[in-house]
Amino acid sequence: QKEVEQNSGPLSVPEGAIASLNCTYSDRGSQSFFWYRQYSGKSPELIMSIYSNGDKEDGRFTAQLNKASQYVSLLIRDSQPSDSATYLCAVSFSNSNSGYALNFGKGTSLLVTP
Amino acid sequence: GAVVSQHPSRVICKSGTSVKIECRSLDFQATTMFWYRQFPKQSLMLMATSNEGSKATYEQGVEKDKFLINHASLTLSTLTVTSAHPEDSSFYICSARRGGGRILNEQFFGPGTRLTVL
Repeated sequence: QKEVEQNSGPLSVPEGAIASLNCTYSDRGSQSFFWYRQYSGKSPELIMSIYSNGDKEDGRFTAQLNKASQYVSLLIRDSQPSDSATYLCAVSFSNSNSGYALNFGKGTSLLVTP
Repeated sequence: GAVVSQHPSRVICKSGTSVKIECRSLDFQATTMFWYRQFPKQSLMLMATSNEGSKATYEQGVEKDKFLINHASLTLSTLTVTSAHPEDSSFYICSARRGGGRILNEQFFGPGTRLTVL
C-alpha cells in the first residue's frame, strides 16, 4: 500500500507568519508531487506541482522536494486568514488500473489567526 | 486555465433511485478523468478511472455495477449511482488530467456533487 502521510493538525499560525506544511510518502519511485487546497465543503484546488528536488516558488507559496528523504513540504509566506483551509498532499503513482493516478494524504488543517 | 465543471452540484433523492453526475473539462481535452468520493473529515478516495473510448477501471472495493461510468468524449465523463442508498450519501468529485505521461499528471477538480439519499 503506497502511503502519503500528513499531520492532520490543526496548525495554527498568526497572520503574516510563515506556515510550514509537511508530507512524507512511501513510494520511492514517485515522480510527481502536488499540493491542493480544500476549503470546507468545496473541492480541491491545485496550488503547486513539483517534480525535481529542490525548491519551487510561486508567489507566496514555495514547494520543497527531497526525494532521498521522501519528503515534500509547502511553505506559505505572509499567511492570511483566507489561507485557512485543509492542504492535501498528493503523490503520483503507477496504478495498474489507472495508469498514473494520485494518492492523497488526509490533509493538514491550517488556521491563520488575525 | 484548466476548468472542470460538474453537474449537478447537489442532489437529494429517495432510496432506490439512480443519480447521474456529469463532469466536463471546459478548456482542455482530457483523455483521462477520475472519480473520487469524500466522506466528512476524510480524504479523497479514488473510485475509478475513466478513459475516453474504453471501459472504466475501478479501484478495489468499488462496485462497477453500482457506479456506472461512461467517458463518451474527450470532455465529458458521467457517473451514475444506481439504486442509491443512504450509505451512498457523500461528496462526489471528478477530476480531469491535463497532459499525459508519468510526469505531467496534474489533475484539476470539478466543484463536486453532494449526494444525499433519504
